[in-house]
Amino acid sequence: GAGVSQTPSNKVTEKGKYVELRCDPISGHTALYWYRQSLGQGPEFLIYFQGTGAADDSGLPNDRFFAVRPEGSVSTLKIQRTERGDSAVYLCASSYYPNTDTQYFGPGTRLTVL
Amino acid sequence: EDKVVQSPLSLVVHEGDTVTLNCSYEVTNFRSLLWYKQEKKAPTFLFMLTSSGIEKKSGRLSSILDKKELFSILNITATQTGDSAIYLCAVNSGGSNYKLTFGKGTLLTVNP
Repeated sequence: GAGVSQTPSNKVTEKGKYVELRCDPISGHTALYWYRQSLGQGPEFLIYFQGTGAADDSGLPNDRFFAVRPEGSVSTLKIQRTERGDSAVYLCASSYYPNTDTQYFGPGTRLTVL
Repeated sequence: EDKVVQSPLSLVVHEGDTVTLNCSYEVTNFRSLLWYKQEKKAPTFLFMLTSSGIEKKSGRLSSILDKKELFSILNITATQTGDSAIYLCAVNSGGSNYKLTFGKGTLLTVNP
């Protein structure tokens, strides 16, 4: 079946602008994760959804970052007042609950803040 | 704070060589260790290990976990240019969120 999809694949924006990144998980997967990967680093956890609710948002760096998953499927990561330091690849992953250990990743969105 | 360290950070070999990639970890609770291959952006799942001493194998790739010494290795035999990628090790430390803590990865380059 189809894997995790993310749009857009690339996003270039100016400092101070608002951006939305979308993730469409594998059908039937109830757990959804957002990670951020900076150059030369491994992915870092941002937020975890179980169903519609954010079960853990402890990885969000500050209140400019917010994510939703209103119907328990597609999720949107929202970044307000973007800063140059937000430039990174934003990865989404999903897994089937209760077997949540194997997370399957999407191709990511490369965000560049000028 | 959970920590995953991979070595080497980069490695250049010739086709046909065998490579061993290392991953050590320090976590509060251990649930599983996962290996991923990242060629462009999307990490692709390779193995999940939960028990010590049991080798997981897929073609030319294999991996094993040592929960006493807190490390795992990923072996690739008869390397091919298509094996060139970043190999990521991640640990799931359980708890309520199942988040993965990743190492920085090993950049493997296989030259013809």
